Amino acid sequence: KAGVTQTPRYLIKTRGQQVTLSCSPISGHRSVSWYQQTPGQGLQFLFEYFSETQRNKGNFPGRFSGRQFSNSRSEMNVSTLELGDSALYLCASSGTSGRNNEQFFGPGTRLTVL
Amino acid sequence: GQQVMQIPQYQHVQEGEDFTTYCNSSTTLSNIQWYKQRPGGHPVFLIQLVKSGEVKKQKRLTFQFGEAKKNSSLHITATQTTDVGTYFCAGHGYSGAGSYQLTFGKGTKLSVIP
Repeated sequence: KAGVTQTPRYLIKTRGQQVTLSCSPISGHRSVSWYQQTPGQGLQFLFEYFSETQRNKGNFPGRFSGRQFSNSRSEMNVSTLELGDSALYLCASSGTSGRNNEQFFGPGTRLTVL
Repeated sequence: GQQVMQIPQYQHVQEGEDFTTYCNSSTTLSNIQWYKQRPGGHPVFLIQLVKSGEVKKQKRLTFQFGEAKKNSSLHITATQTTDVGTYFCAGHGYSGAGSYQLTFGKGTKLSVIP
């Protein structure tokens, strides 16, 4: 089975721009979660989608949004980029939503905001 | 909201020494998961503990879940250079409306000196 894929792998943007990141989960997985990883804050939960519905949302401003398509692929969007948005954005898929779901992480998208 | 604290932040050990990382949650957890992230890589699932007082072993790794389901530990016996990486705990806590959110600790970065 192919693993979780994320595109692009690296991205450089300037302040004020917006960005869209894409995640393709493992085949058959319907839950996709997004995390922001920075050296100072660690792994912070952004949101989880299951069957095209947002199930959970972390404590991030409204500039961060996401969606999931019928094929379980997911995108996250960050508008009006700030310097502090520079981070590794990780997507993780699991077979189900809920509390006994092992997360399979993708390689991440490294976003640099200048 | 739910907080998961993990200590120590860094640990340097001589090859062959033991290593332990500790995880504490501000709330009772449904379960706890452990992940390992190699330098430059993405988190990889190691194990999940569900029952109060549960202990699980994987070769040289021993995982424990506290009786109150608010703390956990990972112990590595006789570390090897292949153990290098950052170890994260992640706790599933109830976030309302029938949903559970996974909250990660900030991780313990393990360095092994050959």
